[in-house]
Amino acid sequence: GAVVSQHPSWVICKSGTSVKIECRSLDFQATTMFWYRQFPKQSLMLMATSNEGSKATYEQGVEKDKFLINHASLTLSTLTVTSAHPEDSSFYICSAHYYGYTFGSGTRLTVV
Amino acid sequence: DQQVKQNSPSLSVQEGRISILNCDYTNSMFDYFLWYKKYPAEGPTFLISISSIKDKNEDGRFTVFLNKSAKHLSLHIVPSQPGDSAVYFCAVYSGAGSYQLTFGKGTKLSVIP
Repeated sequence: GAVVSQHPSWVICKSGTSVKIECRSLDFQATTMFWYRQFPKQSLMLMATSNEGSKATYEQGVEKDKFLINHASLTLSTLTVTSAHPEDSSFYICSAHYYGYTFGSGTRLTVV
Repeated sequence: DQQVKQNSPSLSVQEGRISILNCDYTNSMFDYFLWYKKYPAEGPTFLISISSIKDKNEDGRFTVFLNKSAKHLSLHIVPSQPGDSAVYFCAVYSGAGSYQLTFGKGTKLSVIP
């Protein structure tokens, strides 16, 4: 079946630094990938839709300059949290649609 | 305004009994409905789905029921097993849209041995 690989699974960074999260489709090509964020005991909230070869589409309230998305190939989308702050600490999950949705294993980001 | 609601944040069920998880949605344009299981610090795992042309879909111990007029779906797990303990999310999307999933807040199921 379709597999989406997400790295890293967890990361701790200092305030003000940037962190890059990778999402790869291992056995299929994904022209579209989705980035979600989950706060504790909350739903998965769609942050943005990543489109291969074009700009990402951000949901209302999501700062595009803070959460940079790059989808340079059909198998890789990256989310970079720039100038991270403690309030950016969260669980980030990517997914792709290929005969159904497949999710990555998520990335736990802690900003200290 | 929440488009997908899971009103029970938690549910405890005895092993071997039936678990019923509920989900309500507000937009009649949604025509695909999915259930995901999620463990802490992991991505969601697909369980079962149903399209709006059906009212029931069954896969082993898991059955999803859809009541379009009430905009309500439910997931039945029978018999429940301790390994079913996890957070269950319902998710919806419109096939005519951009495949964006909208999730409920989840229900934490605890199956007691």
